[in-house]
Amino acid sequence: QVQLVQSGAEVKKPGASVKVSCRASGYTFTSYYIHWVRQAPGQGLEWLGIINSSGGSTTYAQKFLGKVTLTRDTSTSTVYMELSSLRSEDTAVYYCARSGEYNSKLDYWGQGTLVTVSP
Amino acid sequence: DIQMTQSPSSLSASVGDRVTITCRASQYISSYLNWYQQKPGKAPNLLIYAASSLQSGVPSRFSGSGSGTDFTLTIGSLQPEDFATYYCHQTYSTPFTFGQGTKLEIK
Repeated sequence: QVQLVQSGAEVKKPGASVKVSCRASGYTFTSYYIHWVRQAPGQGLEWLGIINSSGGSTTYAQKFLGKVTLTRDTSTSTVYMELSSLRSEDTAVYYCARSGEYNSKLDYWGQGTLVTVSP
Repeated sequence: DIQMTQSPSSLSASVGDRVTITCRASQYISSYLNWYQQKPGKAPNLLIYAASSLQSGVPSRFSGSGSGTDFTLTIGSLQPEDFATYYCHQTYSTPFTFGQGTKLEIK
């Protein structure tokens, strides 16, 4: 069965960086794209960016250019989302989700990773 | 960026009611519109894709319609497990923006 399993919760200080992983199983990793979406406490969903799991090309929301870096390791079927220069406003649950095409449905989601930024 | 506006933002309804949620895009998005259900503490769950296609495993009481800029999600007869927050999401152009959400509560 398709699974996206994310790394555990993180607590970071302002100015630090964090790297969250998303390990895929149950399907051909390189045939799908992975998106990242975040949700601040009590708020809605915000799209951060997408990575082509095959070639590694990325597209980011303008707001997150220079803030978010997506990479992948095809040998372990894992996608990484690195968030830099953390601020309290980055406190959120971060989700990975897959799509079969660049602009198609997000049909499977990870369980989410809570990143807390606190002095 | 394409702005997605859902209405209402919250809605109270009873089990058995028929409910409609609307989503309007600030510009043309063809049928690149998906609907998700999210329950507290859980990841979103895909209900409808390409505006009107029912995702496998989703009950048939959920349906979607629309194209261009105006879309609707309809729940035919509310069940207790349907009380949740619903989001529309466009994948026509990046950034792939979400609506602000509609919280469906029990009356």
